[in-house]
Amino acid sequence: GAVVSQHPSRVICKSGTSVKIECRSLDFQATTMFWYRQFPKKSLMLMATSNEGSKATYEQGVEKDKFLINHASLTLSTLTVTSAHPEDSSFYICSARDLKAGLSDRGLSGIYNEQFFGPGTRLTVL
Amino acid sequence: AQSVAQPEDQVNVAEGNPLTVKCTYSVSGNPYLFWYVQYPNRGLQFLLKYITGDNLVKGSYGFEAEFNKSQTSFHLKKPSALVSDSALYFCAVRDGSWGKLQFGAGTQVVVTP
Repeated sequence: GAVVSQHPSRVICKSGTSVKIECRSLDFQATTMFWYRQFPKKSLMLMATSNEGSKATYEQGVEKDKFLINHASLTLSTLTVTSAHPEDSSFYICSARDLKAGLSDRGLSGIYNEQFFGPGTRLTVL
Repeated sequence: AQSVAQPEDQVNVAEGNPLTVKCTYSVSGNPYLFWYVQYPNRGLQFLLKYITGDNLVKGSYGFEAEFNKSQTSFHLKKPSALVSDSALYFCAVRDGSWGKLQFGAGTQVVVTP
């Protein structure tokens, strides 16, 4: 299956600093990547959808100036948490969409997609 | 609009007993349904999906799920649970091929020896 990596896996930073998290699709090209945030023992909350070469689309309530997303290539998207504060401490998970031409899951020819998840990044802001 | 409900915060089961994790969904179009498992401080691992075809879907690690359109359910099952199955399980739904994944709240499974 397709592999998505994240770096770093764990980061601790001081309040007020900025932190960059990388998400890479290792063996496929991803025109679309997704960034999620997860609180302890809670569900994943979609933060934004990142499309290669264009601006990210943020979900309601997510500050785009706080969480900067760049999708500069078909295999790399970055999430930068600017001026991090303790309340930004969380588990951040990225996901990459793999497009395949051929038969879709419903047996229809065309383009269909699968979404693969990275291992997550634990951010702790002191 | 789409939504997913996992009514149980936690499921406790003894090793060797059957395991069921419940999920119900609501979508306006064609449901694409998924189950993922998450171990502590790890990302999501894909277990199985339903797109079309047989209502009973078999997935990884001996898990299976049954799609029930009339009850809008997609319960995850395993005939004989292992201690190593203890983890957080997420049901997710997508409205059609291009919709956003909507996750349920998650169900913590605890399998005791």
